[in-house]
Amino acid sequence: GAGVSQTPSNKVTEKGKYVELRCDPISGHTALYWYRQSLGQGPEFLIYFQGTGAADDSGLPNDRFFAVRPEGSVSTLKIQRTERGDSAVYLCASSLTGLANNEQFFGPGTRLTVL
Amino acid sequence: AQSVTQPDIHITVSEGASLELRCNYSYGATPYLFWYVQSPGQGLQLLLKYFSGDTLVQGIKGFEAEFKRSQSSFNLRKPSVHWSDAAEYFCAVAPDYKLSFGAGTTVTVRA
Repeated sequence: GAGVSQTPSNKVTEKGKYVELRCDPISGHTALYWYRQSLGQGPEFLIYFQGTGAADDSGLPNDRFFAVRPEGSVSTLKIQRTERGDSAVYLCASSLTGLANNEQFFGPGTRLTVL
Repeated sequence: AQSVTQPDIHITVSEGASLELRCNYSYGATPYLFWYVQSPGQGLQLLLKYFSGDTLVQGIKGFEAEFKRSQSSFNLRKPSVHWSDAAEYFCAVAPDYKLSFGAGTTVTVRA
């Protein structure tokens, strides 16, 4: 079956611009996660959705970052007024439920470069 | 706060040789433990996980890991490495739904 997909695979933007990153989770997975992976680091948690609601957004670095999942499936991560420090690979994952013992399946990521 | 330490940034191993990747965690209780592999251009793939029970866990691609509570460690091993095992490996812990990753170990396999 189809795995988690993310679009675009690469995004280059200029400082100050607005970007949207999209995630299509595995069908039927109620839990969706966003992580950010900076160069040479492991992924860092950003936000967790259970269904349509953001159950935990404690990892979002500041109010320039926002994510939605309006119908409980596709999610969009939105970054306003991008900064060079936002350059990273943004990973999306989904799992059947939000229980810790459910495997999280990761997408290939979106590489964001802010010039 | 929990943390995960992978002491080795980069390991080079000959094809056919054994491999061991180290992982130490800091957490008040025993969290769920995971090893993921990331190949260039690919998403993270789960190799194995430990929740409870037998402390020696078998995973995919011939990997295994051993949980040692006394050392707060969850080291990954493979008896005989193949060239396709060249990748970056991440240890992760999860007290709940939130995965916390180490910085990763890059494995290079030489012929």
